[in-house]
Amino acid sequence: QQQVKQSPQSLIVQKGGISIINCAYENTAFDYFPWYQQFPGKGPALLIAIRPDVSEKKEGRFTISFNKSAKQFSLHIMDSQPGDSATYFCAASLGIEDYKLSFGAGTTVTVRA
Amino acid sequence: DAGVTQSPTHLIKTRGQQVTLRCSPISGHKSVSWYQQVLGQGPQFIFQYYEKEERGRGNFPDRFSARQFPNYSSELNVNALLLGDSALYLCASSPRGYGYTFGSGTRLTVV
Repeated sequence: QQQVKQSPQSLIVQKGGISIINCAYENTAFDYFPWYQQFPGKGPALLIAIRPDVSEKKEGRFTISFNKSAKQFSLHIMDSQPGDSATYFCAASLGIEDYKLSFGAGTTVTVRA
Repeated sequence: DAGVTQSPTHLIKTRGQQVTLRCSPISGHKSVSWYQQVLGQGPQFIFQYYEKEERGRGNFPDRFSARQFPNYSSELNVNALLLGDSALYLCASSPRGYGYTFGSGTRLTVV
């Protein structure tokens, strides 16, 4: 039973375009929402994270938007580059100190040059 | 600096066999977690160990077991392998029990 639902499954974007990945959750006890980036043959690497008391967080070209009332959050990749081609996972946990992450199913992003 | 090291990187086992996967955490990290990532899905939590004690267990059958050694390395054991156990097994380590760094995983194929 997946506690975090992620969409789309895959997307293709042109270089310089915007990639948008959406996630939704049901457990209102979730208090920490990280995004991970995974390249083929590698493990997931933490990209950016947000807590529900913040509606938006930006780090470089990556932005998380958070809608607590809708129980939804999204990742925007601005000015997408071929090096951004990877699988992205949203996740949730009961807090930043919680060891158990519940992951979405992943979105494979392909950036065409 | 060495990251989380997992071995072997790939292996093939037959249904019914047993397998042991190994993980060496980042130096100084006392906590290890294991995740199973089936192709096309997100990682699923299996176990967490902190200071050699099991602190958490996910929704996996008793065929899955793990342990952490005094040097904080860890092993994941899976008995009576099923075809559905084919997956990428990820180990992650942390100095404090959260904020994990993942290894590259062991790709297990059960035939």
